[in-house]
Amino acid sequence: GDSVTQTEGLVTVTEGLPVMLNCTYQTAYSDVAFFWYVQYLNEAPKLLLRSSTDNKRTEHQGFHATLHKSSSSFHLQKSSVQLSDSALYYCALSHTGNYKYVFGAGTRLKVIA
Amino acid sequence: GALVYQYPRRTICKSGTSMRMECQAVGFQATSVAWYRQSPQKTFELIALSTVNSAIKYEQNFTQEKFPISHPNLSFSSMTVLNAYLEDRGLYLCGAREAGGYAEQFFGPGTRLTVL
Repeated sequence: GDSVTQTEGLVTVTEGLPVMLNCTYQTAYSDVAFFWYVQYLNEAPKLLLRSSTDNKRTEHQGFHATLHKSSSSFHLQKSSVQLSDSALYYCALSHTGNYKYVFGAGTRLKVIA
Repeated sequence: GALVYQYPRRTICKSGTSMRMECQAVGFQATSVAWYRQSPQKTFELIALSTVNSAIKYEQNFTQEKFPISHPNLSFSSMTVLNAYLEDRGLYLCGAREAGGYAEQFFGPGTRLTVL
């Protein structure tokens, strides 16, 4: 079945520095979309990025990710993190014909001053 | 815009009792509704996926007998936790989406269940 693997646990980054949160996946399907969701403390998860095109960079709110089917990856990056970026980040996939999302275990990003 | 409401936001029940939680989609058609449990130990667990006009699919370790779900129309879903015990504690999230393979899933704020 489908699976999504993320950088485990807590990632701590100093404000102003870059960050990359890893996401790799396994799927037998070719028609698949990939998502990054962000969940701030005491809030619902919200969509951050979405992509289904190989090798195309997707950007939103300063974050960006590029789907690389050759390496089965969809890593999330930001060149300069802010304190307000501290949150839980989830990578997920979904394919047509199936309404189910498959989520990774989540990575907690903590930005320190 | 698309919004998902959940209620109650918090609930406390005695061990062995049951509680019902609701999910309301506004501004879009919730063709499918997924119920998740989020806990410190197991982060994001999918309980079941409900699609209008299709059978509800439960994930391994979750059953209809324990978590019965109703999804009567394109805006509403409910789930009951029957005979709740300590291991059922957590934040129950509802995620709803429209038809279409790449549709965004909109999440409600969750119902936090405490079992005494």
